Amino acid sequence: ELKVEQNPLFLSMQEGKNYTIYCNYSTTSDRLYWYRQDPGKSLESLFVLLSNGAVKQEGRLMASLDTKARLSTLHITAAVHDLSATYFCAVDRGSQGNLIFGKGTKLSVKP
Amino acid sequence: EAQVTQNPRYLITVTGKKLTVTCSQNMNHEYMSWYRQDPGLGLRQIYYSMNVEVTDKGDVPEGYKVSRKEKRNFPLILESPSPNQTSLYFCASSFPPYMERGGLNTQYFGPGTRLTVL
Repeated sequence: ELKVEQNPLFLSMQEGKNYTIYCNYSTTSDRLYWYRQDPGKSLESLFVLLSNGAVKQEGRLMASLDTKARLSTLHITAAVHDLSATYFCAVDRGSQGNLIFGKGTKLSVKP
Repeated sequence: EAQVTQNPRYLITVTGKKLTVTCSQNMNHEYMSWYRQDPGLGLRQIYYSMNVEVTDKGDVPEGYKVSRKEKRNFPLILESPSPNQTSLYFCASSFPPYMERGGLNTQYFGPGTRLTVL
């Protein structure tokens, strides 16, 4: 059974600091997704990672994938308040839109 | 504007009263799916569909039905809602990986439907 675990589940950061969110999954998957959700809003796609060693960056966020370790990381560089949100990772169980999500990491960036 | 729409956005109902939440996308996507989001549990998939008349159960299908008679629409039906179905529901759609550049299968989510069953 495929399981997806994120940690930490809650993260309080100071502006300007760096931190990493981890996403572990239990069986082989074709692709790994990262989403952002603002309070009361829908999910916004951040990254889709396909292959081992894939790295994608957008602004202060960088995602990477290690398929051998079944681990993806979302690295936050020099955090700003606007990054406060809940971040979810998800994996695809068969390239059919059949996704399983982690429980999410609630990030709070304080001045 | 490319989008996934859901209706209603908010609904309060009573136990046992059948309801339908509609989902429609205008991007000609083959794949559509329904999720529920509950505090501390993240998103859990209810049903997914790979094309018209092709649907399959996700992780929490009990108490729900879906139909995919047209490509653009994927309604979620609760025949006899119960309080444990109080949740925030999201519909999503995407192209199959082979139809998207880079094989990404980017998912587009609707705005959500907040359902309360009393």
